[in-house]
Amino acid sequence: GAGVSQSPSNKVTEKGKDVELRCDPISGHTALYWYRQSLGQGLEFLIYFQGNSAPDKSGLPSDRFSAERTGGSVSTLTIQRTQQEDSAVYLCASSLTDRAYNEQFFGPGTRLTVL
Amino acid sequence: QKEVEQDPGPLSVPEGAIVSLNCTYSNSAFQYFMWYRQYSRKGPELLMYTYSSGNKEDGRFTAQVDKSSKYISLFIRDSQPSDSATYLCASMEYGNKLVFGAGTILRVKS
Repeated sequence: GAGVSQSPSNKVTEKGKDVELRCDPISGHTALYWYRQSLGQGLEFLIYFQGNSAPDKSGLPSDRFSAERTGGSVSTLTIQRTQQEDSAVYLCASSLTDRAYNEQFFGPGTRLTVL
Repeated sequence: QKEVEQDPGPLSVPEGAIVSLNCTYSNSAFQYFMWYRQYSRKGPELLMYTYSSGNKEDGRFTAQVDKSSKYISLFIRDSQPSDSATYLCASMEYGNKLVFGAGTILRVKS
């Protein structure tokens, strides 16, 4: 079946602009995660959603970052007033649930460049 | 100090060599330990996971976890050029966010 998909694959924007990144998880997966991968920081957790529970936003670096998940499926990560330090690859992952151990399947990522 | 420490390399080995990749972690609450492989411009893919301490083998790959020393290892036997990638160790407490090491770049020369 289809894996996790993300769009766009690449995004170049100017400092100060807002961007939206989209994630389509594997069908039937109730848990969805966003991570950021940058040269200086490696791969860092941002936020995760599980079913109808309140999301765990503990990894969001600032209030310019927000995410939503509509209908328990597609998720959008929004970065407002982008800064150059936001340049990174944004990875989405999904898993069947977040109970016990469930493999997280990653998408190919969105490469964001802020000029 | 990061919760999971990993030497970024790069590590360069000849084809057929045994590769040893290692991480240390500081959070005693970590229960699950994973190794992911990531090819250039792709998302990470799970290689192996281990619950608590012990060894796990899958073909040419062996994962080891020693919770007493907080040490995570991945061994690759008979390494192949196709094994050239970035290897990421990761840990989690229970069912949610992964905490990753920096990743080690491995190059297997033919």
